[in-house]
Amino acid sequence: GEDVEQSLFLSVREGDSSVINCTYTDSSSTYLYWYKQEPGAGLQLLTYIFSNMDMKQDQRLTVLLNKKDKHLSLRIADTQTGDSAIYFCAQKGGSGGSYIPTFGRGTSLIVHP
Amino acid sequence: DAGVIQSPRHEVTEMGQEVTLRCKPISGHDYLFWYRQTMMRGLELLIYFNNNVPIDDSGMPEDRFSAKMPNASFSTLKIQPSEPRDSAVYFCASSPQGIGNQPQHFGDGTRLSIL
Repeated sequence: GEDVEQSLFLSVREGDSSVINCTYTDSSSTYLYWYKQEPGAGLQLLTYIFSNMDMKQDQRLTVLLNKKDKHLSLRIADTQTGDSAIYFCAQKGGSGGSYIPTFGRGTSLIVHP
Repeated sequence: DAGVIQSPRHEVTEMGQEVTLRCKPISGHDYLFWYRQTMMRGLELLIYFNNNVPIDDSGMPEDRFSAKMPNASFSTLKIQPSEPRDSAVYFCASSPQGIGNQPQHFGDGTRLSIL
């Protein structure tokens, strides 16, 4: 089956870097996403990476993809209290060209002042 | 542009009552998804539609749950009769057609509490 796994919690101090990790099982995934969910809100797309890339940078966000190990990470530089949220990893386009993304359980990022 | 709109935002009702959740997808999006989010199970896909047609309802927990999409701009998720274990946040999401990079757009959810 298609599984996406993430650790449930991460706690960091304001100003430090945060690294949220994700592993997936379907090696034929074509797109991998990071979504952010703030309290009381739905999931919002934060960034994505295509499977033929190994890194993508967008301001404070860096996405790293290791296809060999089926490992995806999201690094947030200079983490702020406003970054406190749940971060979901998702994969799409796996076996059979599925259009339906598979989500992880989400990692709760807690930023201490 | 308006995003995915869900109503109500909060619903509190007694067990045994019928509950109807509503969703308006983003105009032009061909896919509509219903999810349920709980602490225990995380985000679960309940059902999704393509061009108003239900494609996969294997995630619907039991016959008490039903979903319809009578037209491209409206969908409902109904629970009848409701039970306390149905308490969760229910999300609707939509996305365009295509196998390319077409991420899902989520509504803000309906927080359902069954007493």
